[in-house]
Amino acid sequence: KAGVTQTPRYLIKTRGQQVTLSCSPISGHRSVSWYQQTPGQGLQFLFEYFSETQRNKGNFPGRFSGRQFSNSRSEMNVSTLELGDSALYLCASLGTPQETQYFGPGTRLLVL
Amino acid sequence: AQTVTQSQPEMSVQEAETVTLSCTYDTSENNYYLFWYKQPPSRQMILVIRQEAYKQQNATENRFSVNFQKAAKSFSLKISDSQLGDTAMYFCAFTSQGGKLIFGQGTELSVKP
Repeated sequence: KAGVTQTPRYLIKTRGQQVTLSCSPISGHRSVSWYQQTPGQGLQFLFEYFSETQRNKGNFPGRFSGRQFSNSRSEMNVSTLELGDSALYLCASLGTPQETQYFGPGTRLLVL
Repeated sequence: AQTVTQSQPEMSVQEAETVTLSCTYDTSENNYYLFWYKQPPSRQMILVIRQEAYKQQNATENRFSVNFQKAAKSFSLKISDSQLGDTAMYFCAFTSQGGKLIFGQGTELSVKP
């Protein structure tokens, strides 16, 4: 089976812009979770989507949003980018063994 | 609130030796899962080992094993016969809600030749 894929792998944006990141889970996996990784805050949970519904949400401002499509692919959007949004954004899909998440390679976002 | 703590920011070990990484967690849940993930310089997060809280037997995966002490809320990772390819950041993680992992701050492990 192909692993979790994320596009794009790298992005450079300027403050105030918005960005959309995409994640395709492992075939058959219906849950997709998103994480932000920064040197200062470490790995933080953003949200989880399961069957096109947000099932869990982390403590991030409303500028961070997501959605999931019927084929389980997920997108996350960050509006009005700030310098502090520069991070590695990781996506993971949930599969077997039970409650095990498998990660994609990440998208590195740099906000200038 | 559920938290995960890794008290060793950095560790080093000689090739072929054994090293143990520490992790403690705090939760009021009874059913949960614990994981160790490895993140090499490529930044790809790789699952190393998992442990179900309801299982008393410690998990093992080849050279990797855990010491799970549920009452003490401790979950350490032992790497035997360390290899240069084990050099990476190691994260301990907890979940009681499948799709939401709570991570520790990580331990940067260097394996020296």
